[in-house]
Amino acid sequence: KAGVTQTPRYLIKTRGQQVTLSCSPISGHRSVSWYQQTPGQGLQFLFEYFSETQRNKGNFPGRFSGRQFSNSRSEMNVSTLELGDSALYLCASSRTGGPNTDTQYFGPGTRLTVL
Amino acid sequence: DQQVKQNSPSLSVQEGRISILNCDYTNSMFDYFLWYKKYPAEGPTFLISISSIKDKNEDGRFTVFLNKSAKHLSLHIVPSQPGDSAVYFCAASSASGSARQLTFGSGTQLTVLP
Repeated sequence: KAGVTQTPRYLIKTRGQQVTLSCSPISGHRSVSWYQQTPGQGLQFLFEYFSETQRNKGNFPGRFSGRQFSNSRSEMNVSTLELGDSALYLCASSRTGGPNTDTQYFGPGTRLTVL
Repeated sequence: DQQVKQNSPSLSVQEGRISILNCDYTNSMFDYFLWYKKYPAEGPTFLISISSIKDKNEDGRFTVFLNKSAKHLSLHIVPSQPGDSAVYFCAASSASGSARQLTFGSGTQLTVLP
């Protein structure tokens, strides 16, 4: 079974630009979560989607947004990039992400560098 | 406010010996705990999990212990192997309505010396 895939793996952008990252979950998984990893803050939860609906959201500004498609693939968008947005963005999928204690499986991440 | 803490940023262990990684949490609503291993430039890999109704879960060389009264969990790796060298994250989860989110610790770099 193929794992979680993320594209692109690396991105370099400049301040003020916007960026879109893509995530394809494991086949059969309907929940997709996004996390930001930075050296100073560790892994921080961004948001979670299930059946094309955002169910849960972390403490990030509105510049960070996402969506999920009917095939469970998900995208996240960051507008008006700031230097502090440089991070590894990780996507994780699980069957339902519900209270039945699903395990989340992570993709390799997209390394975003903002200059 | 760090709800999940890994107080040891690094740990070195000799090959063949036991590695013990520790994690403390503050939120009593957490009911599911996981350990992930992460190599540089890769996403975290799921290792083992434990529900709050248990106090121990074992999978091969990996055992996770949960002490709910102390709000503490630990990961034991026996015997440790050089390939185990990686950053280990503990994560905790609670149901938020119909969804779950993971709260991660800051990680512990484990180095297994040959």
